[in-house]
Amino acid sequence: DVKVTQSSRYLVKRTGEKVFLECVQDMDHENMFWYRQDPGLGLRLIYFSYDVKMKEKGDIPEGYSVSREKKERFSLILESASTNQTSMYLCASSLGSNNEQFFGPGTRLTVL
Amino acid sequence: KQEVTQIPAALSVPEGENLVLNCSFTDSAIYNLQWFRQDPGKGLTSLLLIQSSQREQTSGRLNASLDKSSGRSTLYIAASQPGDSATYLCAVSQGYSTLTFGKGTMLLVSP
Repeated sequence: DVKVTQSSRYLVKRTGEKVFLECVQDMDHENMFWYRQDPGLGLRLIYFSYDVKMKEKGDIPEGYSVSREKKERFSLILESASTNQTSMYLCASSLGSNNEQFFGPGTRLTVL
Repeated sequence: KQEVTQIPAALSVPEGENLVLNCSFTDSAIYNLQWFRQDPGKGLTSLLLIQSSQREQTSGRLNASLDKSSGRSTLYIAASQPGDSATYLCAVSQGYSTLTFGKGTMLLVSP
């Protein structure tokens, strides 16, 4: 079974802090994704990566950056956290283009 | 821009009923459509993936159909159980593996 893990289930940070969210997959998948999920807005794509050191902006990249130094790990970085970044963050991976996506358990981030 | 709509937004049924969840999308140029289940506060669990060339996929009590030309998909759940209570999301892929999601149907199955 594919396993996607995220470093924290719950995280509380203060405005202005730098925040790192980590995602690891164990199935040698090429593609990895970061989404955020908000009530009434659904899931929205922040960034994705189709190879090591490669990244593409999604629909809402402002205020975020990503890093993929190893194939299995994809990090989401909030350079200076703000209250409007309070959300559920979901990581996903897929084997290749247009293959099934598998999701991690999510990180509930609260920015105070 | 692709838009995905799920109807109804919420559904409550007694245990044992067969039910249908609907998903529609505005741009029929898709690679595939995926159905997910999400339990409260949790991540998404993939249920079924239908490629654009397929008409349906089945897994246990679940059957998903796809009519690409009309921009519609349905998820049929047979003999519903309380454990099926969750939010069901559909998502379409149009390229670069990225998905566009609907807002989901919240299902409650009462014993």
